[in-house]
Amino acid sequence: DVVLTQTPPTLSATIGQSVSISCRSSQSLLHSNGNTYLHWLLQRPGQSPQLLIYLVSRLESGVPNRFSGSGSGTDFTLKISGVEAEDLGVYYCVQGTHAPYTFGAGTKLELK
Amino acid sequence: EVQLVETGGGLVQPGRSLKLSCVASGFTFNNYWMSWTRQAPGKGLEWVASITNSGGSTYYPDSVKGRFTISRDNAQNTLYLQMNSLRSEDTATYYCTRDRRRGVFDYWGQGVMVTVSS
Repeated sequence: DVVLTQTPPTLSATIGQSVSISCRSSQSLLHSNGNTYLHWLLQRPGQSPQLLIYLVSRLESGVPNRFSGSGSGTDFTLKISGVEAEDLGVYYCVQGTHAPYTFGAGTKLELK
Repeated sequence: EVQLVETGGGLVQPGRSLKLSCVASGFTFNNYWMSWTRQAPGKGLEWVASITNSGGSTYYPDSVKGRFTISRDNAQNTLYLQMNSLRSEDTATYYCTRDRRRGVFDYWGQGVMVTVSS
């Protein structure tokens, strides 16, 4: 199975600070069809996860544009440009290129 | 508004069975694949099963293959997860998710807790 390694496990930030989360895959996530099926989710405390970004860099409808995704192959990054209080929670990357779908272990974003 | 409402969770003994249901609303159910994903207490997320929009094909990870069965009733806008031979490691919150395929889970239910314990 594909292993997704997220770093850091915990991230402390102040409101307004820009932060980045890394997701590294044990295999290339470039599919033979040319797409890269790497996505990002946020799970706020006590809530269900929500989709933020899909296909590496495409912003899901309704998600603020302070969120952005980048990367290719095995290395991917989620960036938040100006953290807001509502952004606190656990961020997960998930891959759908190789069966079975697998998730990273998560990165917890806390207030400093 | 898309809504996914899971029911059927609870406490069950190891080796026994349980069936979860998920009623969907706010979208054309038979246009979408659907999936189940679970989260053990205090842990991360694990994909459990997916089903095509017609119900003709299903997919599972090895951890549940042969024990869990995903199905759907498109006339009733309902997704199911039949879980047999339950183990303590199946203890988790189970989420019903709308699946735009290849891991794009764009809507999640509130989750239902399943506890496997004697």
